[in-house]
Amino acid sequence: GDSVTQMEGPVTLSEEAFLTINCTYTATGYPSLFWYVQYPGEGLQLLLKATKADDKGSNKGFEATYRKETTSFHLEKGSVQVSDSAVYFCALSHNQAGTALIFGKGTTLSVSS
Amino acid sequence: SAVISQKPSRDICQRGTSLTIQCQVDSQVTMMFWYRQQPGQSLTLIATANQGSEATYESGFVIDKFPISRPNLTFSTLTVSNMSPEDSSIYLCSVGDTSSGNTIYFGEGSWLTVV
Repeated sequence: GDSVTQMEGPVTLSEEAFLTINCTYTATGYPSLFWYVQYPGEGLQLLLKATKADDKGSNKGFEATYRKETTSFHLEKGSVQVSDSAVYFCALSHNQAGTALIFGKGTTLSVSS
Repeated sequence: SAVISQKPSRDICQRGTSLTIQCQVDSQVTMMFWYRQQPGQSLTLIATANQGSEATYESGFVIDKFPISRPNLTFSTLTVSNMSPEDSSIYLCSVGDTSSGNTIYFGEGSWLTVV
């Protein structure tokens, strides 16, 4: 079945460091790919998405490119801030209406000043 | 994007009791989804709630424990029945927005602690 694999955390960085969180997926067809973020004590927010191969999703300085050939959707940010400390979830869904998300296990990011 | 409101946002519940979580959406949606997030874990789909039909449950979740109602296209409830400490989790309602590539949006979650 479909699945999402994320790099194990926690990831600990200093402010202004470069961030990469790896995400690979297994799925039939051409799913949509998402990154969600969960800040401490809060619910899930959509961070960015890509719906087809070679699409780049971006938001708040974060980017991820849909790579069909490597079945990957790695999250990157050039310069992290303390306020980026959160849990990041990679997820996929198929493009049929009403299809639920399949989540990775989440990666905790901790940024110190 | 859809705006989703969940109630209660947090609650502390006694073992053996049941609690109903409400989910209200600001627009009509065909399908709603209920997820559980146990402490420190990822999200697990409990069931898909279709208006006018029985909810579809994922493996490991049963209707007797997690009955769901879906009376109209903007509202759903999830009941956690006969709670035990293992049910302490965040329960999240979500909807799919087909106008934006089937992006799925989440409510802020209901944080339940069973004592």
